[in-house]
Amino acid sequence: LAKTTQPISMDSYEGQEVNITCSHNNIATNDYITWYQQFPSQGPRFIIQGYKTKVTNEVASLFIPADRKSSTLSLPRVSLSDTAVYYCLVGFSNDYKLSFGAGTTVTVRA
Amino acid sequence: NAGVTQTPKFRVLKTGQSMTLLCAQDMNHEYMYWYRQDPGMGLRLIHYSVGEGTTAKGEVPDGYNVSRLKKQNFLLGLESAAPSQTSVYFCASSYPRLALQETQYFGPGTRLLVL
Repeated sequence: LAKTTQPISMDSYEGQEVNITCSHNNIATNDYITWYQQFPSQGPRFIIQGYKTKVTNEVASLFIPADRKSSTLSLPRVSLSDTAVYYCLVGFSNDYKLSFGAGTTVTVRA
Repeated sequence: NAGVTQTPKFRVLKTGQSMTLLCAQDMNHEYMYWYRQDPGMGLRLIHYSVGEGTTAKGEVPDGYNVSRLKKQNFLLGLESAAPSQTSVYFCASSYPRLALQETQYFGPGTRLLVL
């Protein structure tokens, strides 16, 4: 299983863009990169998934460089409701033992 | 479509007592998982199941047992609760996806306090 490293916490203000970088130096050829978001007292929920280059959806963008040893989750124009813990996961199909790690606590202030 | 539900939402146990946590999903997912979450430690996989009648150990299985008698249900049992099992327990489910990593759908969690 590829291990991931991400910052423990990040602070931001409303309206700013938040970028969270996840390092995964040992990522395997078949591995995908997935990000989850967890609000207090709730279970994590899927945000975005990618394999290479850039993926964008209505919530976030995911940037993956050519070597795939890191990835960056970008949250555009955050609001107070984006305060949450964000987890970076690396794995592949049938990879059941995914490690969520401690995640990155993002705090958005007014 | 309720998604993933967990019962109970909160429970207090005394050391040595037993209990069963129930997870149910109505999405016809093949895979189900039990995690525990402790402060500052993210989620750790306890047990998982890749189909009805099958279970396997995760990262921290000691002190827990599981059963998957029906596809939609995944039970987590504590035979003799210990204070170290005080935690928030999350259940999740997913379906097989060729080539892509499965997306897990999580329940709301069960808070367990063992005194």
